[in-house]
Amino acid sequence: AQSVTQPDIHITVSEGASLELRCNYSYGATPYLFWYVQSPGQGLQLLLKYFSGDTLVQGIKGFEAEFKRSQSSFNLRKPSVHWSDAAEYFCAVAPYNFNKFYFGSGTKLNVKP
Amino acid sequence: KAGVTQTPRYLIKTRGQQVTLSCSPISGHRSVSWYQQTPGQGLQFLFEYFSETQRNKGNFPGRFSGRQFSNSRSEMNVSTLELGDSALYLCASSLTPGTGNVDTQYFGPGTRLTVL
Repeated sequence: AQSVTQPDIHITVSEGASLELRCNYSYGATPYLFWYVQSPGQGLQLLLKYFSGDTLVQGIKGFEAEFKRSQSSFNLRKPSVHWSDAAEYFCAVAPYNFNKFYFGSGTKLNVKP
Repeated sequence: KAGVTQTPRYLIKTRGQQVTLSCSPISGHRSVSWYQQTPGQGLQFLFEYFSETQRNKGNFPGRFSGRQFSNSRSEMNVSTLELGDSALYLCASSLTPGTGNVDTQYFGPGTRLTVL
């Protein structure tokens, strides 16, 4: 069965510092991978996705993620965090041929001024 | 292009009642999926509709049902509401799927259901 693990429930970083949010998945083949962000009271906004090809993908708002097959990971990074990045971040996996997303439990990001 | 819209945004019901939530996908999108988000269980997939047919289903009881209309708009219904059904219900739409029938899902703002 597919599963997604986001080991960090809460992360606090200072504004301007770099950020890495971890995501590990369990799936027999290469899945489709996504990162979404959710602000309080809002729906989910897509940050980036990986379907195939280059394992380093660029997204919106200066985010990037790297797919590492050997580690079953798809970590999200940003070189310099802005106060407006404070939100909850979700990693999601979709198995091949099923338009059905499995989400991690989310990581809440707090940004210190 | 307008995004995914969901109505109503907030709903309060009592145990035993039933509720219907509505979702209008992005124009041109034919797939609509529904998710339940709770603090305890996180985001869980309910079902997906494509061309008026349920194509994928999650592990929810039969009290949860849905349908899709010919214009791709979708409704989900929860009958005999329980306190544990209190949640944010999110709808997501996808363009006609390409490779592997998986495509990016674009989410609406959700309907916050409170069951008293």
